[in-house]
Amino acid sequence: QVQLVQSGREVKSPGASVKISCKTSGFPFDTFSLNWVRQAPGQGLEWVGWISGYSGHTNYAEKFQNRVTMTRDASTGTAYMDLRSLTSDDTAVYYCARVGTSYHSAGYLSDWGQGTLVTVSS
Amino acid sequence: DMEMTQSPSSLSASVGDRVTITCRASRGIGTFLAWYQQKPGKVPSLLIHTTSTLQSGVSPRFSATGTGTDFSLTISNLHPEDVATYFCYKYDRAPLAFGGGTKIQI
Repeated sequence: QVQLVQSGREVKSPGASVKISCKTSGFPFDTFSLNWVRQAPGQGLEWVGWISGYSGHTNYAEKFQNRVTMTRDASTGTAYMDLRSLTSDDTAVYYCARVGTSYHSAGYLSDWGQGTLVTVSS
Repeated sequence: DMEMTQSPSSLSASVGDRVTITCRASRGIGTFLAWYQQKPGKVPSLLIHTTSTLQSGVSPRFSATGTGTDFSLTISNLHPEDVATYFCYKYDRAPLAFGGGTKIQI
């Protein structure tokens, strides 16, 4: 079955960077895109960006353009999100999620990782 | 910026009620609209995609409709396990976006 397993919780200082991994299994990694979504405590869901499974092309939400990088390692079926220059506003649970339709970067998110809590605090 | 406006932000209903949540897009998105259920402390779960297609395994008490800019999710015969926050999500093209959420209580 489809599985997305994310790395563990992180605690970072303001100004630091965090890199979260999303290990996938149960589907052909190079035909499905992965999106990253975050949720601040008690808040709604916020789209961060996507990485195409087949091309590696990325598309980021404008507010993250200058400080996020999404990458993938097709050999291990793992996607990564690197977020830099952290502030307390970045404290959130970060989810990776698979698009439900192959060869589509924009699509409904059918399967989700368990989430990674990132806490930014001095 | 593209916006998805959900209403109401919260509602309280009784077991057995029929409840409807609406989602309005700031521009037309065709039928590229999905709905998610998120129970407290849990990961969001896909209920409906392509405006009205029920995800496999989801109760038929959930239904949805709409096109263009106006969409709605209806829960028939509300059950206690439907207590959750519901989000709409548009995915026609980047930037993708979620609605603000509707918290349903009983």
